Amino acid sequence: DAKTTQPNSMESNEEEPVHLPCNHSTISGTDYIHWYRQLPSQGPEYVIHGLTSNVNNRMASLAIAEDRKSSTLILHRATLRDAAVYYCILREGNTPLVFGKGTRLSVIA
Amino acid sequence: DAGVIQSPRHEVTEMGQEVTLRCKPISGHNSLFWYRQTMMRGLELLIYFNNNVPIDDSGMPEDRFSAKMPNASFSTLKIQPSEPRDSAVYFCASSFGDISAQYFGPGTRLTVT
Repeated sequence: DAKTTQPNSMESNEEEPVHLPCNHSTISGTDYIHWYRQLPSQGPEYVIHGLTSNVNNRMASLAIAEDRKSSTLILHRATLRDAAVYYCILREGNTPLVFGKGTRLSVIA
Repeated sequence: DAGVIQSPRHEVTEMGQEVTLRCKPISGHNSLFWYRQTMMRGLELLIYFNNNVPIDDSGMPEDRFSAKMPNASFSTLKIQPSEPRDSAVYFCASSFGDISAQYFGPGTRLTVT
């Protein structure tokens, strides 16, 4: 069963911010929100994760709604190298990742 | 660190042949995961190990698939006999501790003719 819902695709202009949404209305109290991305012909790559509070790292920011039923991955300045499929995944503990279809992000120069 | 190492990167074999995929996790990681990616089914878990012990192999398609982790630095995924529907990219990933990131290898692209 898909636990997260993401748009199939999004498009962004280079050097502009990108907001990738994810809905997870059935999230449990112990689920962490993880984001991974997969660049063309590569394995998935960890981006960021959080539980309740917003999180920032060198790659992106994660904004989590107060009720935790949705979240947004923010890329502050999209580059051509950010073109990838972005996966939003709920994960409890050290369990395997369950991948959905993700959002295919295209970046236009 | 070299990251997760997988070999071979590409494998082309004929139906009925045995195929062995290899994975070396990141040193110090205690969890190892095997995933498979196809156009039809996307990325799906096959099996994972904690401290070299298989925890969940419910994703292994059938008895033709087997996986081992004889020590903390090596794992194999074997398909015997291989079939054309096994053609996919097989990824190995490793992690350490709870809630931690999984680090993926570059994958093995398997083609069974």
